[in-house]
Amino acid sequence: ETGVTQTPRHLVMGMTNKKSLKCEQHLGHNAMYWYKQSAKKPLELMFVYSLEERVENNSVPSRFSPECPNSSHLFLHLHTLQPEDSALYLCASSQDPSGRSSYEQYFGPGTRLTVT
Amino acid sequence: GDSVTQMEGPVTLSEEAFLTINCTYTATGYPSLFWYVQYPGEGLQLLLKATKADDKGSNKGFEATYRKETTSFHLEKGSVQVSDSAVYFCALSIRGAQKLVFGQGTRLTINP
Repeated sequence: ETGVTQTPRHLVMGMTNKKSLKCEQHLGHNAMYWYKQSAKKPLELMFVYSLEERVENNSVPSRFSPECPNSSHLFLHLHTLQPEDSALYLCASSQDPSGRSSYEQYFGPGTRLTVT
Repeated sequence: GDSVTQMEGPVTLSEEAFLTINCTYTATGYPSLFWYVQYPGEGLQLLLKATKADDKGSNKGFEATYRKETTSFHLEKGSVQVSDSAVYFCALSIRGAQKLVFGQGTRLTINP
């Protein structure tokens, strides 16, 4: 039980579709993250939200749109994706570092996305 | 900038062998260090951590010691099992920074 859940676990979508990935954390954390994990590439940090404000956006294409309505929920809205966007999308959460914590992140199981 | 370098994989061992996966880091501040494990079809799980020099993190028979003098955090286990087959990631965080820096991952396969 990681305390971070993601839905759906698998998603197949066409390039013209619009879909959303959902992440929910039950750990009382106040920072959340989206990562992209592609085969044979390092883990890529996409977005960081702290206290529901986006604090980092690592040059991610606009076809990916994050939303963080509260500290427990994080969405990734997808539209007009490309086949190279096929990957495992991981959500994570942590306590907002204030100089006191060791800042580990807790990950969900991921959504395996295939763009056809 | 901050970075983490892990030994290249894949690593293949026989059951009950001794395991070492090397990890070295470069950091401008005083990082905390982590090992994460990813089993097939799953997300990353925190395996162990160390927050200051000479700390030893341990869990499930795995150990790693924070060596500031060599900027290393090598993962070790005395006797591996088939169930340890997974991808292992070394990572660091700088106090006050809001992200982890990951190594590229090392795939470990244990044969019976």
